[in-house]
Amino acid sequence: DSGVTQTPKHLITATGQRVTLRCSPRSGDLSVYWYQQSLDQGLQFLIQYYNGEERAKGNILERFSAQQFPDLHSELNLSSLELGDSALYFCASSVAPQPGVQNIQYFGAGTRLSVL
Amino acid sequence: AQKVTQAQTEISVVEKEDVTLDCVYETRDTTYYLFWYKQPPSGELVFLIRRNSFDEQNEISGRYSWNFQKSTSSFNFTITASQVVDSAVYFCALSEAGAAGNKLTFGGGTRVLVKP
Repeated sequence: DSGVTQTPKHLITATGQRVTLRCSPRSGDLSVYWYQQSLDQGLQFLIQYYNGEERAKGNILERFSAQQFPDLHSELNLSSLELGDSALYFCASSVAPQPGVQNIQYFGAGTRLSVL
Repeated sequence: AQKVTQAQTEISVVEKEDVTLDCVYETRDTTYYLFWYKQPPSGELVFLIRRNSFDEQNEISGRYSWNFQKSTSSFNFTITASQVVDSAVYFCALSEAGAAGNKLTFGGGTRVLVKP
């Protein structure tokens, strides 16, 4: 068990809908990351938050947004869902960033999103 | 731009055989980190090893060993005396220390099937 908790484990919804994925980082971790794993794109970085602030952004669609709350949990909001958004969404967390050091990212079990 | 290539899509071995997974990376940074993650059939991503670009010493940890060669931009991973529980998809990942944020760029993964 990595200590990163993601809910729900599975989500089935229809095109055009909006969903929220939730992530609780490991105790003491200040950075949260979101990744998308799909068959055609592989594992791709979406966005990183550090202590409530956005730190880095990947190829995240405008229909997607995220935030990190004061208690450090994070939510990824996906709206106007399309069939192609069906994927496994991972959250990861790590300790506070240090200059020149890339800390280990510990991943949650993922949320499997199916858009029908 | 950073890139990770895992040329082997699938490797099948019989239990107790050794398995070597290839990883080739591209980066313009002089300081970077390389990782290996394992994704068993249950779906979660499990951290295995991390290496920074200044440490080319190859190590062994239990049945795992890795061979990091900057001259060829390779970071290969070996499982010695494979077991059925090693069956999983293995991902190599790269993170540039100089980049804003700490994103991981993943390779496409290598599926390892260990047969009894």
